Amino acid sequence: DSGVTQTPKHLITATGQRVTLRCSPRSGDLSVYWYQQSLDQGLQFLIQYYNGEERAKGNILERFSAQQFPDLHSELNLSSLELGDSALYFCASSVEADPYLNYGYTFGSGTRLTVV
Amino acid sequence: QKEVEQDPGPLSVPEGAIVSLNCTYSNSAFQYFMWYRQYSRKGPELLMYTYSSGNKEDGRFTAQVDKSSKYISLFIRDSQPSDSATYLCAIHRQDTGRRALTFGSGTRLQVQP
Repeated sequence: DSGVTQTPKHLITATGQRVTLRCSPRSGDLSVYWYQQSLDQGLQFLIQYYNGEERAKGNILERFSAQQFPDLHSELNLSSLELGDSALYFCASSVEADPYLNYGYTFGSGTRLTVV
Repeated sequence: QKEVEQDPGPLSVPEGAIVSLNCTYSNSAFQYFMWYRQYSRKGPELLMYTYSSGNKEDGRFTAQVDKSSKYISLFIRDSQPSDSATYLCAIHRQDTGRRALTFGSGTRLQVQP
């Protein structure tokens, strides 16, 4: 157990729907990162929050949004889902805002999203 | 051109072999280099971290960085079936706004007993 908790583990939903993925970072970690992993694209950075504020944005679609709450857990909201959104979504956490200060970061086990 | 290139494999080796996994990157601004291991249906876990050219050893694993060639390698000695996984290189630089790791696409390794 890495200490980063992601729920749900699996999600199957229809096109056009909206889902929310949840992440609880390791105790003491202030930074949360969201990544999408698909077979053809590898691990793609979506967005980072640090202590409740958005810190960096990657290749996140406008249909996707995220937030980090005062208790530091984070949610990734995916709306108007398309077949191509089917992927593994990972959350990672770290103490500091920058990965090099943390010697990398710690990943959760992911949420497998299937859009049908 | 992708910022990080990694041969996807799969790479199949017999137990006990020395494995060499490699990545190339395009921008000399990258300063920090990591290797992650990902088992099927699990999240990536950090194996090695380095920020300088040269070798860093940890047990059966050696990470090698050649900044002049923009080339990083991970060597696994005495490979075991339990090493069968996907190995991802990850790089980072301290540019303004560049706050996240950039990952290679991963190399799938299969160690045959």
